[in-house]
Amino acid sequence: QQQVKQSPQSLIVQKGGIPIINCAYENTAFDYFPWYQQFPGKGPALLIAIRPDVSEKKEGRFTISFNKSAKQFSLHIMDSQPGDSATYFCAAKQTGANNLFFGTGTRLTVIP
Amino acid sequence: SAVISQKPSRDICQRGTSLTIQCQVDSQVTMMFWYRQQPGQSLTLIATANQGSEATYESGFVIDKFPISRPNLTFSTLTVSNMSPEDSSIYLCSVARSGVGYEQYFGPGTRLTVT
Repeated sequence: QQQVKQSPQSLIVQKGGIPIINCAYENTAFDYFPWYQQFPGKGPALLIAIRPDVSEKKEGRFTISFNKSAKQFSLHIMDSQPGDSATYFCAAKQTGANNLFFGTGTRLTVIP
Repeated sequence: SAVISQKPSRDICQRGTSLTIQCQVDSQVTMMFWYRQQPGQSLTLIATANQGSEATYESGFVIDKFPISRPNLTFSTLTVSNMSPEDSSIYLCSVARSGVGYEQYFGPGTRLTVT
């Protein structure tokens, strides 16, 4: 059973657009929600993360929106660039646990 | 953050042989993990490498197939034993820090092809 459900599977946007990737979960014991960016042939890189006590976190062009009541969180990429083309994974960690549950990934393509 | 290196970066191995993957971290970390990622797929946790004790394996993964060592707080190895083509995958070392907050980092991966 997939603990974190991610959509869409793939996404194509024009340069300057704002791609949005969504994730949903059921486990209310999750207390940490990171996003990872992975380029082909590389390991996933920690991009940004949020805890459920805030509704939004912004780092540069990347923003996480978090809706605790809906058990959903999303990644927004402002002013997207071709260099943002990568696979993005959301994840979640349970309180007291030490491993992450990953979403299935979203392959983002930003067209120049 | 943490700088993680893995050796080898890629290898092509014959069925029935074993390969040991090394993971080195630039600083001491409490938690180290090994993941598997099929091309184009998500990450699956194989085991948590515990320093000074046996690794903790996830469902579907066993020590005889994936023995893990963790001799100190900066180094771990994963062996893929008696390989079959189904073991062809990317194997990723990961470390985590906790304290003020939790952050988990990944190595560059080892791309394994079994023929």
